[in-house]
Amino acid sequence: DTAVSQTPKYLVTQMGNDKSIKCEQNLGHDTMYWYKQDSKKFLKIMFSYNNKELIINETVPNRFSPKSPDKAHLNLHINSLELGDSAVYFCASSPLNYNEQFFGPGTRLTVL
Amino acid sequence: AQKITQTQPGMFVQEKEAVTLDCTYDTSDPSYGLFWYKQPSSGEMIFLIYQGSYDQQNATEGRYSLNFQKARKSANLVISASQLGDSAMYFCAMSPSGNSGGYQKVTFGTGTKLQVIP
Repeated sequence: DTAVSQTPKYLVTQMGNDKSIKCEQNLGHDTMYWYKQDSKKFLKIMFSYNNKELIINETVPNRFSPKSPDKAHLNLHINSLELGDSAVYFCASSPLNYNEQFFGPGTRLTVL
Repeated sequence: AQKITQTQPGMFVQEKEAVTLDCTYDTSDPSYGLFWYKQPSSGEMIFLIYQGSYDQQNATEGRYSLNFQKARKSANLVISASQLGDSAMYFCAMSPSGNSGGYQKVTFGTGTKLQVIP
């Protein structure tokens, strides 16, 4: 009964490939997020969705495209992967107007 | 715009002693929330504690307390009676409060790596 789950946990791929990371939350939350944590552990928000609608898009290259098929899912698709995309990607969710965010376990993406 | 500053990249503390992790912030929002998250070596992000900017009392959660000094714009985390399992990265974060269209843009600090020594 994991609250926020992400798949895969590890993703190793070649430059130029396209890949997706899936996120699901079973908490009934309205808002979901994607964060990127770089090699220096800096955590930065990428996107936020509220009830399937894009709310935050933080100057992320358009190679990154989030998709929210329903309130419980927020997937991240990345086209033409680059070396600099290597990072840990965290999905999170929160209830409406509540500050605590619940994080998934992270997906470690390595681009070779 | 929001900014979080954590000036201690790394800290050591003896087991069973208390430790304070520093966090200062800057924001133009009249109402905001401050949090601390723990990230152990296993990588998950664990919520520890939350403080609202209009809360009169400092937040406490078990061995964690948040020393909130609004005038100084600081929100330090105090861990009492440190345990070996407290060794981890600790992130301070903030977001605007209130009905901001159903989302909260959270800004994180750069983190402090805490190591508890037996």
